[in-house]
Amino acid sequence: GAGVSQSPRYKVAKRGQDVALRCDPISGHVSLFWYQQALGQGPEFLTYFQNEAQLDKSGLPSDRFFAERPEGSVSTLKIQRTQQEDSAVYLCASSLGTGQETQYFGPGTRLLVL
Amino acid sequence: GENVEQHPSTLSVQEGDSAVIKCTYSDSASNYFPWYKQELGKRPQLIIDIRSNVGEKKDQRIAVTLNKTAKHFSLHITETQPEDSAVYFCAASSLGQGGKLIFGQGTELSVKP
Repeated sequence: GAGVSQSPRYKVAKRGQDVALRCDPISGHVSLFWYQQALGQGPEFLTYFQNEAQLDKSGLPSDRFFAERPEGSVSTLKIQRTQQEDSAVYLCASSLGTGQETQYFGPGTRLLVL
Repeated sequence: GENVEQHPSTLSVQEGDSAVIKCTYSDSASNYFPWYKQELGKRPQLIIDIRSNVGEKKDQRIAVTLNKTAKHFSLHITETQPEDSAVYFCAASSLGQGGKLIFGQGTELSVKP
């Protein structure tokens, strides 16, 4: 079956631009996570949705970062006024239930801010 | 909050040898410990996981051990093959956090033929 997909796969933005990153989770998966992975580092948690409810946004680095999942399926991570330190791979993951189940990752969106 | 430390950062072994990667965690409430393999430019993929009610779990050439008292867990790969070359990440999660994973810094494993 189809796995988690993300678009775009690559995004180059000029400093100050706004970007929107999309995640399509596995159909029927209740939980959706966003992680940020800097070069050579492990993924770092950004935010978590259970259906359409954003239950944890403790990892969002600043108020320039905003995520939504309005219908409990597709999610969008938006970064406003991008800065060079936002350059990273943004990974989306989904899991079937609401607990500690296997998280299936998407291929990521590589964001480069110039 | 939870902190996960992973060692070593790089590991080079000869094909057929064993490889061991170790992680420690800080939050005694953590009870779920997955391991992910990430090939260059690819998505992380789960290879094995363990829960705190189990001390060891094995799946073919891969095994994970957990010591709750010492708050550390390890990944063991036996009979390594060149296709095992990748970056491996450990992670920890605690009940009540919704499945949020805290990852280690990663270990780059190189298996030389």
